[in-house]
Amino acid sequence: DGGITQSPKYLFRKEGQNVTLSCEQYLNHDAMYWYRQDPGQGLRLIYYSQIVNDFQKGDIAEGYSVSREKKESFPLTVTSAQKNPTAFYLCASSNRQGRGGYTFGSGTRLTVV
Amino acid sequence: AQSVTQLDSQVPVFEEAPVELRCNYSSSVSVYLFWYVQYPNQGLQLLLKYLSGSTLVKGINGFEAEFNKSQTSFHLRKPSVHISDTAEYFCAVSEGAAVNKLTFGGGTRVLVKP
Repeated sequence: DGGITQSPKYLFRKEGQNVTLSCEQYLNHDAMYWYRQDPGQGLRLIYYSQIVNDFQKGDIAEGYSVSREKKESFPLTVTSAQKNPTAFYLCASSNRQGRGGYTFGSGTRLTVV
Repeated sequence: AQSVTQLDSQVPVFEEAPVELRCNYSSSVSVYLFWYVQYPNQGLQLLLKYLSGSTLVKGINGFEAEFNKSQTSFHLRKPSVHISDTAEYFCAVSEGAAVNKLTFGGGTRVLVKP
């Protein structure tokens, strides 16, 4: 998994339910990120965290929430307020400086049924 | 704010032919530049990066990219593609060391035909 694990790989959600996607990294990275990927739209940033107990909204944060209680973990909750949650979700981590780029997890595909 | 444009959304190419994927960015400061590859239903994998120094950067799987500061471009090339290169490719830009926040292009889907 390259040091960063996302689970589950596939997730099905009923309308009106909250679901939480897990992301754990073992790279000792300070920063972690959540992206949403839809066909033909590239990657859009949902939330990011540069340090434990701190996080910032990205470009499409509405309907999502996160926490960063541990350096290794950055779970994403897709709430019932997210009107169109079906997508591929990618977690990434990095050093705080810009030189290293990101290491990505293998993704979670969320489908609303 | 920086932005990244990948000029081609899809590039069909025959096996063993060369391929070039174009990437242009807008930024008023020094940048770090990256190319990632994504195979179906997988995460992104780093192909190569430009931080400083030589403008020609070599990466994994035979890919290389050239940084052109005057044209604000970072085009990716491979002289001879394989079927296994069929994937989506993303260009990304980071505006330096203060905060590591990448901006991604929209992606280019490469389809290698036999």
